[in-house]
Amino acid sequence: EVQLMESGGGSVQPGGSLRLSCAASGFTFSNYAMVWVRQAPGKGLEWVSTVLGNGDTTYYADSVQGRFTISRDNSKNTLFLHMTSLTAEDTALYFCARYTRTNVYYFDSWGQGALVTVSS
Amino acid sequence: DIQLTQSPSFLSASVGDRVTITCRASQGISSHLAWYQQKPGKAPKVLIYSASTLQSGVPSRFSGSGSGTEFTLTISCLQPEDFATYYCEQLKSYPLTFGGGTKVEIK
Repeated sequence: EVQLMESGGGSVQPGGSLRLSCAASGFTFSNYAMVWVRQAPGKGLEWVSTVLGNGDTTYYADSVQGRFTISRDNSKNTLFLHMTSLTAEDTALYFCARYTRTNVYYFDSWGQGALVTVSS
Repeated sequence: DIQLTQSPSFLSASVGDRVTITCRASQGISSHLAWYQQKPGKAPKVLIYSASTLQSGVPSRFSGSGSGTEFTLTISCLQPEDFATYYCEQLKSYPLTFGGGTKVEIK
């Protein structure tokens, strides 16, 4: 069974930093791209970032480019999101998800989310 | 960037109703579209991928159609557990984008 479990969420002051982790199990982690998707309170879904299986190729939403860094440790089956220069607009529930992108493309498994609150 | 416009944003329906949600893309995305269902406090769950392929385990009352710029998600006979928010997502090109969501509530 595919399982994804986020951790590292919490409350941080504006301008601060935080690192989220996503522990994966039940599949060959290195064979899959992984993504972070966030959802601000009461709002819709926003794709944040993608990292391909080897970790060498990454993509970012304009809203986080230059401030967030996605990475992965395939030896530990763990995905990361390092967030810096946080603002109130980054307050959201952050989901990690597995990205199936062979002949078809979609996010087929999701974690339950880690809440990040940016407030003074 | 490819914008996705979902309509309606809110839908009130009864158990047993047929429901259709539309997702329009600002440019052609072939069939690189997925539909997700999200219930309050839960992670999204994929229903449909490649515009019309039903994810394993998803009830057959859900169906998707379309290609290019116009897509639909249809629930043929609404069940109590279907009351949720539905999102489309394009995976044709970066940045990946979601529609604004359609909340389906009980009439």
